[in-house]
Amino acid sequence: NAGVTQTPKFQVLKTGQSMTLQCAQDMNHNSMYWYRQDPGMGLRLIYYSASEGTTDKGEVPNGYNVSRLNKREFSLRLESAAPSQTSVYFCASISNPGQGIKNIQYFGAGTRLSVL
Amino acid sequence: AQSVSQHNHHVILSEAASLELGCNYSYGGTVNLFWYVQYPGQHLQLLLKYFSGDPLVKGIKGFEAEFIKSKFSFNLRKPSVQWSDTAEYFCAVMRGGSQGNLIFGKGTKLSVKP
Repeated sequence: NAGVTQTPKFQVLKTGQSMTLQCAQDMNHNSMYWYRQDPGMGLRLIYYSASEGTTDKGEVPNGYNVSRLNKREFSLRLESAAPSQTSVYFCASISNPGQGIKNIQYFGAGTRLSVL
Repeated sequence: AQSVSQHNHHVILSEAASLELGCNYSYGGTVNLFWYVQYPGQHLQLLLKYFSGDPLVKGIKGFEAEFIKSKFSFNLRKPSVQWSDTAEYFCAVMRGGSQGNLIFGKGTKLSVKP
């Protein structure tokens, strides 16, 4: 049981390049989330997916797209990276009602992204 | 605007000192409250949570928090900190009906001097 797995762990991009951050969870959770963490800003929600096939914008969605490929996987795409997107990105999933203790978010190890 | 406020950006303590980190939120209605900890270079881990019932909740590693509804507060406490408690601490709120979305405070960095 690996929990929430993110790849890659580190990435350096040039301005304008694109990339996809991958996230997978093996806990059969319905809902998944993408956050970005910046110094002094805490974690801010980029997008979330309440269930397979649905996605919704969070607090800071501009410049990002997401895909809920299946119940396990939720990817985050930067189509044209900008220096302002330099950040640490965390994926999370949340325990389902009736699945042990509900409403607990479990986080991946993060992806540290630098855009030059 | 609805928000979660953590009062201290950086707290520096000596080992064995007592700790209290403040957290206030501005949402009415039902809320679930959380404290997460992030050790240097690591991901967030759940420290403790409040859903309902006894407003004094105990978490891992000797931490506890008290929910005071009238003050919209959920302060984190530990009677005696250790060097290994050096980390960043995040308060988070989940509003009822929010599809599980967490609103985080900006975090408090705790440095414990040996």
